[in-house]
Amino acid sequence: GQQLNQSPQSMFIQEGEDVSMNCTSSSIFNTWLWYKQDPGEGPVLLIALYKAGELTSNGRLTAQFGITRKDSFLNISASIPSDVGIYFCAGPLNSGGGADGLTFGKGTHLIIQP
Amino acid sequence: KAGVTQTPRYLIKTRGQQVTLSCSPISGHRSVSWYQQTPGQGLQFLFEYFSETQRNKGNFPGRFSGRQFSNSRSEMNVSTLELGDSALYLCASSFGLGVEAFFGQGTRLTVV
Repeated sequence: GQQLNQSPQSMFIQEGEDVSMNCTSSSIFNTWLWYKQDPGEGPVLLIALYKAGELTSNGRLTAQFGITRKDSFLNISASIPSDVGIYFCAGPLNSGGGADGLTFGKGTHLIIQP
Repeated sequence: KAGVTQTPRYLIKTRGQQVTLSCSPISGHRSVSWYQQTPGQGLQFLFEYFSETQRNKGNFPGRFSGRQFSNSRSEMNVSTLELGDSALYLCASSFGLGVEAFFGQGTRLTVV
């Protein structure tokens, strides 16, 4: 199946800093999803991307669907303490799209230092 | 609108036992998928159901099974539990055959 490589694995940042993380795939995707998971909870969908080159925002979060269709990026501006958590990229197991399940990256663990 | 509901939240079982986990999707969602999350393997796809039919199955042994009912509620079953089955089991629902999946809080299964 498709492998999603997510980086960095973890980030230690100061409150107020901007954050960037990315995800690359071994195959082309028609959809990219970004999720955030807090401890003891299920992942929460942040942003969905459907078109190469698409740039979509959700508050302080901005995600981009890479032109090659093999990568995606997530940026968080002016981080705040509640941004702490694990961020996952995901794409359809059927890389052409359709609801046949998702494949996930290993996650980026965001830690905000006081 | 209520989110995805999973029961129970926590479960402790002994090796060799079997377990059934339940998932109620968001109202109007007909697709339900299940995932296993462990620190070592991350989030791994188990199976997906739409209109009571299994559409896809992940690379897990036959001890893992599931089903979906006519009201879209789903259950997954793990038989002959092993220590390595300890994990957070997550259920997600989607509207129709859409890719966007909305997750429940999960069931934390501990096998001792």
